[in-house]
Amino acid sequence: GDSVTQTEGPVTVSESESLIINCTYSATSIAYPNLFWYVRYPGEGLQLLLKVITAGQKGSSRGFEATYNKETTSFHLQKASVQESDSAVYYCALGENNYAQGLTFGLGTRVSVFP
Amino acid sequence: DMKVTQMPRYLIKRMGENVLLECGQDMSHETMYWYRQDPGLGLQLIYISYDVDSNSEGDIPKGYRVSRKKREHFSLILDSAKTNQTSVYFCASSPGTDQDTQYFGPGTRLLVL
Repeated sequence: GDSVTQTEGPVTVSESESLIINCTYSATSIAYPNLFWYVRYPGEGLQLLLKVITAGQKGSSRGFEATYNKETTSFHLQKASVQESDSAVYYCALGENNYAQGLTFGLGTRVSVFP
Repeated sequence: DMKVTQMPRYLIKRMGENVLLECGQDMSHETMYWYRQDPGLGLQLIYISYDVDSNSEGDIPKGYRVSRKKREHFSLILDSAKTNQTSVYFCASSPGTDQDTQYFGPGTRLLVL
């Protein structure tokens, strides 16, 4: 089946430092799956952070960026300068836009940003 | 305001008791999902509902059933709960035009003693 592997947490960074969370994927039924980053802030449900459905393209939101790399089957999440409010759990996910399936999620990466 | 709600947020039950987890959404989304999340396992899909009374098993349906009598409500039922069903349960919904973009509720933390 499909799988998503991401940086194992927890990850601790200082405010204004850069952050990268690695994500690689494997899709069995589709050549170009849809790729997502979701985020879960403390006490809240998962929220869509960004989504890219076309290989080679970059998605961005709230200062985060991720590029869909078909060659390396990767979708790494990056931010140049994090803030304390970025402390959350980040999930990489894959979807096949298929009614019969949900999304396939990575295990999540807990990020703690300290002032 | 697009929102997915879950009730209750926290629940403690004894083994063998029945459990009802409720989910609501105000976006008229056709498709709704139930996932569970356990440490080290990520989110696992329990059931999908394509619309009212149109449900399908996900990856781990055993021990669960669902009910969807209105488009905006999707219930997860555990008949005779087991201790290994202790978990955090997430409900999600997505529009028919974009099944992959899912909107999640805040989760229900269930403890089965």
